[in-house]
Amino acid sequence: LAKTTQPISMDSYEGQEVNITCSHNNIATNDYITWYQQFPSQGPRFIIQGYKTKVTNEVASLFIPADRKSSTLSLPRVSLSDTAVYYCLVGKNSGGSNYKLTFGKGTLLTVNP
Amino acid sequence: DGGITQSPKYLFRKEGQNVTLSCEQNLNHDAMYWYRQDPGQGLRLIYYSQIVNDFQKGDIAEGYSVSREKKESFPLTVTSAQKNPTAFYLCASGGGTGPWEQFFGPGTRLTVL
Repeated sequence: LAKTTQPISMDSYEGQEVNITCSHNNIATNDYITWYQQFPSQGPRFIIQGYKTKVTNEVASLFIPADRKSSTLSLPRVSLSDTAVYYCLVGKNSGGSNYKLTFGKGTLLTVNP
Repeated sequence: DGGITQSPKYLFRKEGQNVTLSCEQNLNHDAMYWYRQDPGQGLRLIYYSQIVNDFQKGDIAEGYSVSREKKESFPLTVTSAQKNPTAFYLCASGGGTGPWEQFFGPGTRLTVL
């Protein structure tokens, strides 16, 4: 799986837009980019997945430039309840024997009042 | 309601004892996973199973064992051979063509005294 690099922590304020960038310089042609959110003492929750350009759902947007060597998770108008650890993962989205997910340490986002 | 249940939420054991953590899902997912999380760290894969009666070792399988006799159940046994068993254990299931969208249970916090 491609190695990812994210900031260890970020601070924000309620109502702001937050952008968390993940670099994955050795991403392979058929790798997808996936983001998870984890609150303390809970399991991670799938947020969004994309391959190129932009993906948007009811929770977040994912921006992927043409070279795909990085991606940015965008959270619009964050609230205190968005304080969590956010993980960026990269790998193949296909069947077969490669069913492993590798979680790094993620980015701790703290939203302040 | 569909979901994943893990029990118990907190578990205490004496050193040298084996302990089994329960994981049940009613999402009709084929794949199930066990992860371990230590404080301030990401998740590490212990074992995973793509189909009943079959499972594969993850990155840190030593000192653990699993079984997959039913689609709905994937219990994890922490044996006395596991040197540092105190951790937060998370079970997940996935039903897509790859591992990218996994659904996690609430976790079991195991403390070995």
